[in-house]
Amino acid sequence: GAVVSQHPSRVICKSGTSVKIECRSLDFQATTMFWYRQFPKKSLMLMATSNEGSKATYEQGVEKDKFLINHASLTLSTLTVTSAHPEDSSFYICSAPLATDTQYFGPGTRLTVL
Amino acid sequence: DAKTTQPTSMDCAEGRAANLPCNHSTISGNEYVYWYRQIHSQGPQYIIHGLKNNETNEMASLIITEDRKSSTLILPHATLRDTAVYYCIVRVAGGNQGGKLIFGQGTELSVKP
Repeated sequence: GAVVSQHPSRVICKSGTSVKIECRSLDFQATTMFWYRQFPKKSLMLMATSNEGSKATYEQGVEKDKFLINHASLTLSTLTVTSAHPEDSSFYICSAPLATDTQYFGPGTRLTVL
Repeated sequence: DAKTTQPTSMDCAEGRAANLPCNHSTISGNEYVYWYRQIHSQGPQYIIHGLKNNETNEMASLIITEDRKSSTLILPHATLRDTAVYYCIVRVAGGNQGGKLIFGQGTELSVKP
């Protein structure tokens, strides 16, 4: 089946630094990818839609200058958490749809900001 | 997209069928019912989806009522590895949202030996 990968799987950083998370579709192309975040014992919250060749679309309440999204190619989207703070610590998950409209999710990236 | 209501948690004995209900009374005619699950600390996994007919695949069966206001996901022989949070999502297939999924709280299924 289709596979979506994320890198890194875990990252620990100091407050004030920026962290980049990569999302790749391994055996299919994705003009659109989605980024979610998930706090402990909570559901996934959609952050933004990443669009290849154009600007990302952010959900209400998500700071676009804080969470920079770049969809560099048909198989790669990156999420950069800028000037990270402890409250940004979360589980970040990306997904990509196949032509059949089935979403495939990455394994997630656990971000801890000290 | 229509809102869904699911029980917060359910238990199921290993080897028995797990029946997970979902209410979506405001579903529109062009909205599909999707089921995903999330095993602890992993990304969600697609299970099945349907419009109005019952569907079956290697993982599960989806039963949608005739009025489409509710559905049931059936795992025919639950195993310990089926312990996860199960999400029922109703949305229009494709469309200008390109596949965006809005997750509710889901049902935490615990399969017990």
